[in-house]
Amino acid sequence: DTGVSQDPRHKITKRGQNVTFRCDPISEHNRLYWYRQTLGQGPEFLTYFQNEAQLEKSRLLSDRFSAERPKGSFSTLEIQRTEQGDSAMYLCASSKGGSLAGELFFGEGSRLTVL
Amino acid sequence: AQSVTQLGSHVSVSEGALVLLRCNYSSSVPPYLFWYVQYPNQGLQLLLKYTSAATLVKGINGFEAEFKKSETSFHLTKPSAHMSDAAEYFCAASSNDYKLSFGAGTTVTVRA
Repeated sequence: DTGVSQDPRHKITKRGQNVTFRCDPISEHNRLYWYRQTLGQGPEFLTYFQNEAQLEKSRLLSDRFSAERPKGSFSTLEIQRTEQGDSAMYLCASSKGGSLAGELFFGEGSRLTVL
Repeated sequence: AQSVTQLGSHVSVSEGALVLLRCNYSSSVPPYLFWYVQYPNQGLQLLLKYTSAATLVKGINGFEAEFKKSETSFHLTKPSAHMSDAAEYFCAASSNDYKLSFGAGTTVTVRA
């Protein structure tokens, strides 16, 4: 399978703990995106990388959130001091640079539940 | 910033009937427009996209959508629903080359 993969698929944690999600994009894609989806809503943009450079961060991404893509390949999204409001599905997507906006390939998501 | 509104959070159709999912966008400049589908326990998958070429766009699985600038709409249709069309459908818009704004989604159920 050469699609976008995310790990873990499910994470249950207690409030105040730190969690980290990993995303492996399609290998030839140099753009990588993180979105968040809560129940009954569409995905919301969080951040975007072109190669290893993080080019935009949404205001939704508080200072407790940090995303990295150290070698322009896989990416991690860390949430520190989790809160119940962080419970959501975290989606990763990738695309080729130069492709039209929206030609994104999504992973199956990482579902976070904060107790 | 783009804003996308999907009318109707749930749509129920009989197998073989027309599927119509409504999407309106707000923008003074026609954006790029998309429909994505999410099957249970799967990632979002691109159904079709509008990029200022033909206003009637054909996608996968028999779906098509028509861009109407005067109505700021991009409704999705399929002439004959199949049981496998049961899924959640998202309309999305973008005015740049990297950020999508999604609607809240419409869940389609298909009755036998």
